Amino acid sequence: GAVVSQHPSWVICKSGTSVKIECRSLDFQATTMFWYRQFPKQSLMLMATSNEGSKATYEQGVEKDKFLINHASLTLSTLTVTSAHPEDSSFYICSAVGRTDTQYFGPGTRLTVL
Amino acid sequence: LAKTTQPISMDSYEGQEVNITCSHNNIATNDYITWYQQFPSQGPRFIIQGYKTKVTNEVASLFIPADRKSSTLSLPRVSLSDTAVYYCLVVPRGGAGSYQLTFGKGTKLSVIP
Repeated sequence: GAVVSQHPSWVICKSGTSVKIECRSLDFQATTMFWYRQFPKQSLMLMATSNEGSKATYEQGVEKDKFLINHASLTLSTLTVTSAHPEDSSFYICSAVGRTDTQYFGPGTRLTVL
Repeated sequence: LAKTTQPISMDSYEGQEVNITCSHNNIATNDYITWYQQFPSQGPRFIIQGYKTKVTNEVASLFIPADRKSSTLSLPRVSLSDTAVYYCLVVPRGGAGSYQLTFGKGTKLSVIP
């Protein structure tokens, strides 16, 4: 139990295009999901907190108009990177809070912007 | 959010017990202690979580002294597949910022044959 999936697992796109990443809790409902970003050889950095049915809360320095988050249901949150640039290339990871108040992470999505 | 401090790296031979200690001097009453394991290019995997004393599961044990200012993750008889980065985190429960995780640099464990 407590499985979180992400799709796609990797994506390559051209500079200026938008990319959508999906995060799903497969066997539990999650009112709260989180989005992280991890650059090579660095730790995870929290980008935003996604609450079902309400607007996401973004961490300082994260542009909400660039990283659009939609938590439309109790099992799905999406992150859209708009007008992506090479500096947005990173490993994006989502997590969801499960029944036992434990946070479970997805496998991550590798984004490469050319 | 409480800050944690843990060793940057550790080496261990296969079959040995590994203990990774984490300090969290500013832990709050409502905070829990959680450990995650991360392999390269994968999301963190939950290992164990506790509030006080000792917690044990099929993977590891977590020791938390009475003052809760530190904790020790114990991995019994490590194998090569346990080579990974281990993160110690303090997780707030209740109120603003609940469940938000602030990742430090973690401890890179290298298991040697």
